[in-house]
Amino acid sequence: NAGVTQTPKFRVLKTGQSMTLLCAQDMNHEYMYWYRQDPGMGLRLIHYSVGEGTTAKGEVPDGYNVSRLKKQNFLLGLESAAPSQTSVYFCASSYSSGSDTEAFFGQGTRLTVV
Amino acid sequence: AQKITQTQPGMFVQEKEAVTLDCTYDTSDPSYGLFWYKQPSSGEMIFLIYQGSYDQQNATEGRYSLNFQKARKSANLVISASQLGDSAMYFCAMREVGNDMRFGAGTRLTVKP
Repeated sequence: NAGVTQTPKFRVLKTGQSMTLLCAQDMNHEYMYWYRQDPGMGLRLIHYSVGEGTTAKGEVPDGYNVSRLKKQNFLLGLESAAPSQTSVYFCASSYSSGSDTEAFFGQGTRLTVV
Repeated sequence: AQKITQTQPGMFVQEKEAVTLDCTYDTSDPSYGLFWYKQPSSGEMIFLIYQGSYDQQNATEGRYSLNFQKARKSANLVISASQLGDSAMYFCAMREVGNDMRFGAGTRLTVKP
């Protein structure tokens, strides 16, 4: 019972490099989210998706792109990494957007941009 | 816009004692949910407890309870009989209908033996 799986768990990038973070969920959830976690700031929403083929911007979308080609996968891309994107990234999913709906989280990806 | 405030960056508690972690929120929506998550040093996010805005009673889950004061817009987490394994970051979060989940800055709890 994997739940939400993020790949990779750790990554070091040089400034200007690109990379893609993969999130996969096996719970048939419609909604998927990408958050970043920075000290003293909690988790902030980058982008989210309300279903296959749809994406939308969150609080801090600049410098990131996302795609949801398959229901179970949500990809987060950094086209040209910057040191300000050093963070821990979390993917989450939920079966609905109801106010009582728990979000299930992946293990996180620790990204360092040097 | 939703806003969640956790005013305690760090808290200490003696093992076996109770501790309260504060959370206040701001919303104009009458229907919302409040959540607490625990993040141990290993990094994963663990769901602890949920309180709905229309719930008449405070939520409880084992040693966790939520002190919900709707008029004051506060949703404090109470951990009873603290254990060493309770040392972690704790995040308060809120969700309005149709919206994503928004988080506070977190409180780092340290349980002293």
